[in-house]
Amino acid sequence: QKEVEQDPGPLSVPEGAIVSLNCTYSNSAFQYFMWYRQYSRKGPELLMYTYSSGNKEDGRFTAQVDKSSKYISLFIRDSQPSDSATYLCAMSAFGNEKLTFGTGTRLTIIP
Amino acid sequence: DTGVSQNPRHKITKRGQNVTFRCDPISEHNRLYWYRQTLGQGPEFLTYFQNEAQLEKSRLLSDRFSAERPKGSFSTLEIQRTEQGDSAMYLCASSPGQGENTIYFGEGSWLTVV
Repeated sequence: QKEVEQDPGPLSVPEGAIVSLNCTYSNSAFQYFMWYRQYSRKGPELLMYTYSSGNKEDGRFTAQVDKSSKYISLFIRDSQPSDSATYLCAMSAFGNEKLTFGTGTRLTIIP
Repeated sequence: DTGVSQNPRHKITKRGQNVTFRCDPISEHNRLYWYRQTLGQGPEFLTYFQNEAQLEKSRLLSDRFSAERPKGSFSTLEIQRTEQGDSAMYLCASSPGQGENTIYFGEGSWLTVV
């Protein structure tokens, strides 16, 4: 079993919908949680960074961490076609240490 | 552009040849990381440096792989005697360290071994 599980999708939603992306993990030592967006044949772009449990909001994006359930989520409000990409969750036990990634969820926003 | 820079962006090589990738991190970032990503998978950690010191290497990093960061600035990743299974995107990332934990990635170097 992988340390980080993420549904690979693909996920297609109409423009303007709320998107929910999720990851589960098994390593209780993870404390730092990140979401990256990756366009085709490009490097991952950092979207959200969260330490420990709680919520964090940045514009149309909200990241949630529930350490008790070992479950993290990314919500995208008012989704746009430009949000179409692969979304990767990543986490680490210590800051600046190696990241363990999920497989990524491929998202398509339909105009 | 002050992001993480990787060169070359694409490399096609014959099996058995050696290849080298270069990474220039964001200025003054102390930590530098190498990852490998294959199609449909998330990036997998290979190794990372704190300044010029290589602090950790993954079991994925076979003896044919070597990484250096000689002056604590740019880094190189060399793959010797390439195999078709080495075909992947090699990603470099950097982080400020010193209490700031965000890690930024470059655009990657695509390797195709034929």
